[in-house]
Amino acid sequence: SQTIHQWPATLVQPVGSPLSLECTVEGTSNPNLYWYRQAAGRGLQLLFYSVGIGQISSEVPQNLSASRPQDRQFILSSKKLLLSDSGFYLCAWRRGRGIGLYNEQFFGPGTRLTVL
Amino acid sequence: DQQVKQNSPSLSVQEGRISILNCDYTNSMFDYFLWYKKYPAEGPTFLISISSIKDKNEDGRFTVFLNKSAKHLSLHIVPSQPGDSAVYFCAARRGVSATNKLIFGTGTLLAVQP
Repeated sequence: SQTIHQWPATLVQPVGSPLSLECTVEGTSNPNLYWYRQAAGRGLQLLFYSVGIGQISSEVPQNLSASRPQDRQFILSSKKLLLSDSGFYLCAWRRGRGIGLYNEQFFGPGTRLTVL
Repeated sequence: DQQVKQNSPSLSVQEGRISILNCDYTNSMFDYFLWYKKYPAEGPTFLISISSIKDKNEDGRFTVFLNKSAKHLSLHIVPSQPGDSAVYFCAARRGVSATNKLIFGTGTLLAVQP
């Protein structure tokens, strides 16, 4: 069966500090990977998605970046955090690459980031 | 520009009764819709989905209805149970593509009272 891991679960960082959140997926190959943010009182906003190693697409201009160094690893980073980066960050995967039958995305447990 | 809207931020229902969660969308190119359930401090879990070629999909206590002409979908939970208390998100996909991006609504907090 497939599992998705995110760490850390919670993080408190000062403004201006760097950030690295990691997501790994097990039990599948060539997944699509996604980073979402849920800000307080808001829905899920797609930040980045990746259809393969080294392939990153950004959905919104922002202070964050993403990388996919391995097939099942997705990293969210920032060089200098802003107060507005606080939120709940979720990684998700979708089975299989390319156009296909699989539409559902499956989410990890999330990381609660507080920037002070 | 919120393409997927959940206009009710919260809903309270008595145990055993029906819960109806609503979702409206603006983009007629959306062809696949999903509902997710989310507990606090956890990731959303997939609940049920429907293709735009159907108007109803049922899975146990959960039924999703799609009205394409009104650009409206709803999730019915019958009977509602206290464990159903969570935030429910609807999501839509714009056509078949390699990226399969989903657009989420803002969520509805369902509280099922015992």
